[in-house]
Amino acid sequence: DAGVIQSPRHEVTEMGQEVTLRCKPISGHDYLFWYRQTMMRGLELLIYFNNNVPIDDSGMPEDRFSAKMPNASFSTLKIQPSEPRDSAVYFCASSYTRADIQYFGAGTRLSVL
Amino acid sequence: RKEVEQDPGPFNVPEGATVAFNCTYSNSASQSFFWYRQDCRKEPKLLMSVYSSGNEDGRFTAQLNRASQYISLLIRDSKLSDSATYLCVVNTNAGKSTFGDGTTLTVKP
Repeated sequence: DAGVIQSPRHEVTEMGQEVTLRCKPISGHDYLFWYRQTMMRGLELLIYFNNNVPIDDSGMPEDRFSAKMPNASFSTLKIQPSEPRDSAVYFCASSYTRADIQYFGAGTRLSVL
Repeated sequence: RKEVEQDPGPFNVPEGATVAFNCTYSNSASQSFFWYRQDCRKEPKLLMSVYSSGNEDGRFTAQLNRASQYISLLIRDSKLSDSATYLCVVNTNAGKSTFGDGTTLTVKP
């Protein structure tokens, strides 16, 4: 398997623009996680899905953030409108079970100017 | 208090040294434990799981102390390539995963 695939790898945008991050989990994994990592706050869980259903979105910072998983092989994290404080590395991860090993994608490095 | 706490370091050690990291957790219902490694500007990757009886993988030894609620990672004969950030992960029986903020290790020649 190719592992968890994220796109784009880098995104530079201007404040106010919409940003869409994409993730393809490992085939057969029932759980998908979105994380954000910054120097100040470390690795934060934003939301996770089980069998395409959002289970816990308590980590989503505010209404500007939304995530979807229309099928087992694709998920998006959208920020609209983006702000400079959203600049971070966003990781997607997947696992077989909730408490199992999580496999991370290479991340999307987002810069909002 | 954070649910999972790690000494951020940095730990600066010479090649060949032995170094140990601890990670404490607050939720006594925690069930599974892992150590991940994260290289600069890369994604976290599993280093090893932590079992109740302790486990070893080459130069790396992981241990769990449920009574005191901490896990540890011991690296023997450290190599330059061991330089990275080490993250501990604690999962509860309810399926919640919590990552520590990581401990940074720099191994110097």
